[in-house]
Amino acid sequence: DADVTQTPRNRITKTGKRIMLECSQTKGHDRMYWYRQDPGLGLRLIYYSFDVKDINKGEISDGYSVSRQAQAKFSLSLESAIPNQTALYFCATSDRQGMGRGATDTQYFGPGTRLTVL
Amino acid sequence: AQSVTQPDIHITVSEGASLELRCNYSYGATPYLFWYVQSPGQGLQLLLKYFSGDTLVQGIKGFEAEFKRSQSSFNLRKPSVHWSDAAEYFCAVGARGGGNKLTFGTGTQLKVEL
Repeated sequence: DADVTQTPRNRITKTGKRIMLECSQTKGHDRMYWYRQDPGLGLRLIYYSFDVKDINKGEISDGYSVSRQAQAKFSLSLESAIPNQTALYFCATSDRQGMGRGATDTQYFGPGTRLTVL
Repeated sequence: AQSVTQPDIHITVSEGASLELRCNYSYGATPYLFWYVQSPGQGLQLLLKYFSGDTLVQGIKGFEAEFKRSQSSFNLRKPSVHWSDAAEYFCAVGARGGGNKLTFGTGTQLKVEL
């Protein structure tokens, strides 16, 4: 979806290097997410943010950190990259409609960043 | 905890044939259900979603899915597959209340033979 952009699209780095992946969106959504995709494992949630002052860990946050610089920007950092962080990383945004248990939430994904850690 | 199973890792169909991709979920109540498609080198595109109401859901590109509560399933169907449908398909379940977490299945890779 062109409304969600990720930079870079591809990155090769070495073990121990600090890496930042960036995500920007023009959809006006408050909620943003970072996932990683590994073959045979589907997508797994790393971090998510419901607004600029809100950051939450997902199921696999170890070794990662995030920054929500603005409503439209959500960055993922690997402080010291290791080879098992080689994966395809996706940013997503969502629009929450309604309130309470009737609320719905649909996520829209960026094109992904392929990261290789040597 | 919610979970999703896509029992078929790979499926091959001939162009023009019908398609059904299976998805079974585990969730304590009626979930929100999604199907996404990932073409080679692309991100995930939303095909369709089920929140409530009619259990037969129409999506983009001629796809439909049917929510069957008794079978905990949300299978994706298309009556006639096109070569451009070759891609990986992911089923996902989300919690009611606009919850943050989507749980994805491991995906089904579709190959279309001409």
